[in-house]
Amino acid sequence: SQTIHQWPATLVQPVGSPLSLECTVEGTSNPNLYWYRQAAGRGLQLLFYSVGIGQISSEVPQNLSASRPQDRQFILSSKKLLLSDSGFYLCAWSRTGSGTDTQYFGPGTRLTVL
Amino acid sequence: EDQVTQSPEALRLQEGESSSLNCSYTVSGLRGLFWYRQDPGKGPEFLFTLYSAGEEKEKERLKATLTKKESFLHITAPKPEDSATYLCAVPGTASKLTFGTGTRLQVTL
Repeated sequence: SQTIHQWPATLVQPVGSPLSLECTVEGTSNPNLYWYRQAAGRGLQLLFYSVGIGQISSEVPQNLSASRPQDRQFILSSKKLLLSDSGFYLCAWSRTGSGTDTQYFGPGTRLTVL
Repeated sequence: EDQVTQSPEALRLQEGESSSLNCSYTVSGLRGLFWYRQDPGKGPEFLFTLYSAGEEKEKERLKATLTKKESFLHITAPKPEDSATYLCAVPGTASKLTFGTGTRLQVTL
């Protein structure tokens, strides 16, 4: 069966510090991968998605970047965090091919920028 | 641009009191609709996918239905463990999902 991991689970960082959040998927190959942010009281906002190694599409211009160094690894980064980067970050995967495949989410990372 | 609106924002039910959550959508060609459950501090958990108007799916006390303009999540005789935020979403290009803001359901004894 497939499993998706995210770490760390929680993170408190000062403004201006760098960020690296990691997501890995087990039990499948060549998945589509997604990064979402969920702000308090708001819906899930898609930040990045990837259909393959080194293929990253950005949905929202911002202070963040994403990379996919391996087939089942997706990393969210920032060089300098802003207060507005605080939120709940979720990684998700889906099978490649059909445009309506289900997305499965990881446990999330709670980021607080002070 | 795809849009998803969920109502109500919050719903409080007593145990055993059935009700429905609404998800209305505007898309250029529906290719499915997803329902998820999200517990506080956790990632969304997949519940159902509906693909065409008239389709229904059930899981325990939950039943999801789909029309050409909206979807309903019916909760029959809910229990406290059904308390969660319920999210619906529609797919766009490249499997990207547009989510509603969710309905926070609280079921009390």
